[in-house]
Amino acid sequence: AQSVTQLDSQVPVFEEAPVELRCNYSSSVSVYLFWYVQYPNQGLQLLLKYLSGSTLVKGINGFEAEFNKSQTSFHLRKPSVHISDTAEYFCAVGLFRELVFGTGTRLLVSP
Amino acid sequence: NAGVTQTPKFRILKIGQSMTLQCTQDMNHNYMYWYRQDPGMGLKLIYYSVGAGITDKGEVPNGYNVSRSTTEDFPLRLELAAPSQTSVYFCASSPLIRATGGYEQYFGPGTRLTVT
Repeated sequence: AQSVTQLDSQVPVFEEAPVELRCNYSSSVSVYLFWYVQYPNQGLQLLLKYLSGSTLVKGINGFEAEFNKSQTSFHLRKPSVHISDTAEYFCAVGLFRELVFGTGTRLLVSP
Repeated sequence: NAGVTQTPKFRILKIGQSMTLQCTQDMNHNYMYWYRQDPGMGLKLIYYSVGAGITDKGEVPNGYNVSRSTTEDFPLRLELAAPSQTSVYFCASSPLIRATGGYEQYFGPGTRLTVT
């Protein structure tokens, strides 16, 4: 069975600082990995995805993530955050027809 | 191109009432899903469908029913509403990019349901 662990429920950070949101997964087979963002009162929007190939994946809004198979991690990073990045971020692992989501990390960016 | 649309946006139900949450997608996706989102719990899969006429249970199907008569529509039915069904409900769809998966899901804006 697959599972996803997002280690931090909330990450406060100041504007223009770097941020890393952590995600670990467990799976007995090769998986596909995703990060979604949810702005207040909205649905989920895809930030980036890892299917195969380069382990460093670039997404929208300046975010990137690195797939580390040995550590079963897929951490999300941004070198300099903006107030507008305040949102909830979900890591998900996919295999065949299903996605399994983590419990989410709320990123709080303050001036 | 509207993507995935959901109606209504908000609804308050009394215990024991029934209702249908509507979901429509215009991307000709085969796969459609219903999730519920509760605070601190992430998204839990209620039901999914791999095509018209085919549905299957997800992780938390009790108290819900679905049907898929067309590619575009995937309504979710609550027959006897209970307070435990107070949640935000999201519909999603996806294409099948490759045989082993690797697809992304496209989400609707959600329906916020309160049962009192």
